[in-house]
Amino acid sequence: QKEVEQDPGPLSVPEGAIVSLNCTYSNSAFQYFMWYRQYSRKGPELLMYTYSSGNKEDGRFTAQVDKSSKYISLFIRDSQPSDSATYLCAMMTGGGNKLTFGTGTQLKVEL
Amino acid sequence: DTAVSQTPKYLVTQMGNDKSIKCEQNLGHDTMYWYKQDSKKFLKIMFSYNNKELIINETVPNRFSPKSPDKAHLNLHINSLELGDSAVYFCASSKGQGYYGYTFGSGTRLTVV
Repeated sequence: QKEVEQDPGPLSVPEGAIVSLNCTYSNSAFQYFMWYRQYSRKGPELLMYTYSSGNKEDGRFTAQVDKSSKYISLFIRDSQPSDSATYLCAMMTGGGNKLTFGTGTQLKVEL
Repeated sequence: DTAVSQTPKYLVTQMGNDKSIKCEQNLGHDTMYWYKQDSKKFLKIMFSYNNKELIINETVPNRFSPKSPDKAHLNLHINSLELGDSAVYFCASSKGQGYYGYTFGSGTRLTVV
């Protein structure tokens, strides 16, 4: 069993939809939580990071962390075809230096 | 200006060969990493270096040997390549312990035939 679980999809939504992407984890020592976006044949790029529980908003993106449930989410509002990519959650303990990734969810936003 | 650059982008080689991948970052970061991404897109850490010092070696076969000549460069040498080494290898860098995220390179797609 992996430390971080993520539904691989694919997830297909119409343009303009609200997208919800989720991860669960088993290690209660994780304190730093991130979301990366990876386009095909490219490296992952950081979208958002949060520390501990709570919400963080950046434009069309909102990240939520619920440490009590060991559950994190990324919401994308008004989704666009350019959002089509694989979304990877990642997390780190307070000791740092090692980012543990989920397996990624493939998202396709259709016109 | 590319922040984290890796060479080569593609590498096709025969089993048993030895190959190297190079990585350079111009972000002034002090920590660099090698990650392996398998065919199912799972990213797993291999090594981490901070200021040229190895700090993470994640149960990687000793055919893989990283080298960091300075804090802006991290290379990966692989001996006696096997079919199972086929994957995309990503270099990344971060400031300090990486609490605010890593910057990844565009990857080296290694195919062993």
